[in-house]
Amino acid sequence: AQKVTQAQTEISVVEKEDVTLDCVYETRDTTYYLFWYKQPPSGELVFLIRRNSFDEQNEISGRYSWNFQKSTSSFNFTITASQVVDSAVYFCALSEARGNNRKLIWGLGTSLAVNP
Amino acid sequence: NAGVTQTPKFQVLKTGQSMTLQCAQDMNHEYMSWYRQDPGMGLRLIHYSVGAGITDQGEVPNGYNVSRSTTEDFPLRLLSAAPSQTSVYFCASSYSRTEYSGNTIYFGEGSWLTVV
Repeated sequence: AQKVTQAQTEISVVEKEDVTLDCVYETRDTTYYLFWYKQPPSGELVFLIRRNSFDEQNEISGRYSWNFQKSTSSFNFTITASQVVDSAVYFCALSEARGNNRKLIWGLGTSLAVNP
Repeated sequence: NAGVTQTPKFQVLKTGQSMTLQCAQDMNHEYMSWYRQDPGMGLRLIHYSVGAGITDQGEVPNGYNVSRSTTEDFPLRLLSAAPSQTSVYFCASSYSRTEYSGNTIYFGEGSWLTVV
């Protein structure tokens, strides 16, 4: 069954700490895409990154980095030197297709609180 | 850049009332969809469309209708609102209808709907 698991429901850190958000997925497909979205307190969903199943290179964007490991079916997200503005709910999602429907399978999200 | 625009942002309805959530995108995206977000349930797909004149059901379509008369617009209609439809609704779009394209799905800012 296709599934995305974000085992950490809530994380609380103090500003400047590093924090890693875990994402583990299950899929039968050999070609798929993984996403991370951020949902700040204002409520909108903000795209952070997309990774396809053939590209296992880690990616770094400023304080954000992503570690994709097919061997463990994980796509973890690390925030370095966290800031209060990073407080949000973070969602991991898996994209696959059934017919015409590009279905996104969502994790339940990890709520990150960064305290001053 | 307008992106995906949803209206209204907030709405309170009485049980049995009908209403339409509007969604428009200016990116010439073929694929549009509606999700609802509920605590502990993540995001669930209501309906989707792969192009003008084509719509289909997602995971939780009951109580909702959609139509796609133009590429730009994808309204979601609640025919007879029920308290169980109290939720946050997100409209989303992406460039391609094709499978495994991995194109990023962009979301509107969300519509908070309360049915009393």
